[in-house]
Amino acid sequence: QVQLVQSGSELKKPGASVKVSCKASGYTFTNYGMNWVRQAPGQGLEWMGWINTNTGNPTYAQDFTGRFVFSLDTSVSTAYLQISSLKAEDTAVYYCAGEDFDLWGRGTLVTVSS
Amino acid sequence: SYELTQPSSVSVSPGQTARITCSGDVLAKKYARWFQQKPGQAPVLVIYKDSERPSGIPERFSGSSSGTTVTLTISGAQVDDEADYYCYSAADNNRVFGGGTKLTVL
Repeated sequence: QVQLVQSGSELKKPGASVKVSCKASGYTFTNYGMNWVRQAPGQGLEWMGWINTNTGNPTYAQDFTGRFVFSLDTSVSTAYLQISSLKAEDTAVYYCAGEDFDLWGRGTLVTVSS
Repeated sequence: SYELTQPSSVSVSPGQTARITCSGDVLAKKYARWFQQKPGQAPVLVIYKDSERPSGIPERFSGSSSGTTVTLTISGAQVDDEADYYCYSAADNNRVFGGGTKLTVL
């Protein structure tokens, strides 16, 4: 069936990096872009940006430039979110969501703590 | 960038009609979507293009638009509808969620 499967929870130390994966199945991966959404504990949804899965061109929201990188491996229908130089305030659930937001992954909890 | 403003909370009794508003200048030109999010779960799309309902979403969920405000209406709200609701819109390469509204049904 059509679904997005995300990688499991991560516990990282400040300054480290993390790479979250989002594997699509049940549809042609390159036909629909992929959004990334952050939700800090007890907070609302923040759109981080999206990546065009046909061209690989990423677009980042204003607050998510520099340390955040979207990438793809179309051979395995997977999108990635990499965050470098992690800070405590990066602790959040990170969701991937299809281009029209009608399909979401279950989220990946990234915890940054020393 | 632009903003979408929602009330922080709305409360209704079971069977009553719940209305959640979302305001922002962009809504005069662009469609809105609404998402339902229950604790510990991913958001679910309940309305798109201001008033269209995806398949599988109960008919009691409806959406409307007037000027710079969109409204999500839940007619005959059920206890199971208790959740956070977020509006969303997009303009050019900017996309934004509203701050979210906690709907209490009790």
